[in-house]
Amino acid sequence: AQSVTQPDIHITVSEGASLELRCNYSYGATPYLFWYVQSPGQGLQLLLKYFSGDTLVQGIKGFEAEFKRSQSSFNLRKPSVHWSDAAEYFCAVFTSGTYKYIFGTGTRLKVLA
Amino acid sequence: NAGVTQTPKFRVLKTGQSMTLLCAQDMNHEYMYWYRQDPGMGLRLIHYSVGEGTTAKGEVPDGYNVSRLKKQNFLLGLESAAPSQTSVYFCASSFQGSETQYFGPGTRLLVL
Repeated sequence: AQSVTQPDIHITVSEGASLELRCNYSYGATPYLFWYVQSPGQGLQLLLKYFSGDTLVQGIKGFEAEFKRSQSSFNLRKPSVHWSDAAEYFCAVFTSGTYKYIFGTGTRLKVLA
Repeated sequence: NAGVTQTPKFRVLKTGQSMTLLCAQDMNHEYMYWYRQDPGMGLRLIHYSVGEGTTAKGEVPDGYNVSRLKKQNFLLGLESAAPSQTSVYFCASSFQGSETQYFGPGTRLLVL
């Protein structure tokens, strides 16, 4: 069955520290993968997406993610976290046959000053 | 260009009451979606539409109905609200066959 797993429900990092949010997927075909961010009380904003090609993709706000087929992972990274990055982050896989997303359960990021 | 808008932003209902959530998009997208977001469960698809006059069930359709009478609007109805429908509802839209969806700001619904 198709699924997306975000194993970390909460993560706390200090401002200026590096960040990695984990995402694992289960999908039979080549996946289309996404990371969205949701600030408190806001909708979802697209951070980055992977369809094919270079496995390291760059997104907005200094985020990047690396697709590793062998590990079925699409982890999100940022070298230096800012206080404004505090939000909830969702990984999603797009199912091309049905044109629908499958979302992970989200990781809530807290940033310490 | 407002993108995807949702009305209302917040609503409180009593059990058994009905209401309609409105989603509007001005990007000429063919596909539209309704999701609900619950703590620890991410976003789950309720219903979706691939064009005007068409709708289909998603992952959690029970207790909801939808209509897509105009291309730019997608309505989500609750005929008899239940406390289990307390949630945040998000609408999204996309071009036909596109992998990228654009989300509205959400509607927070509380059913007492």
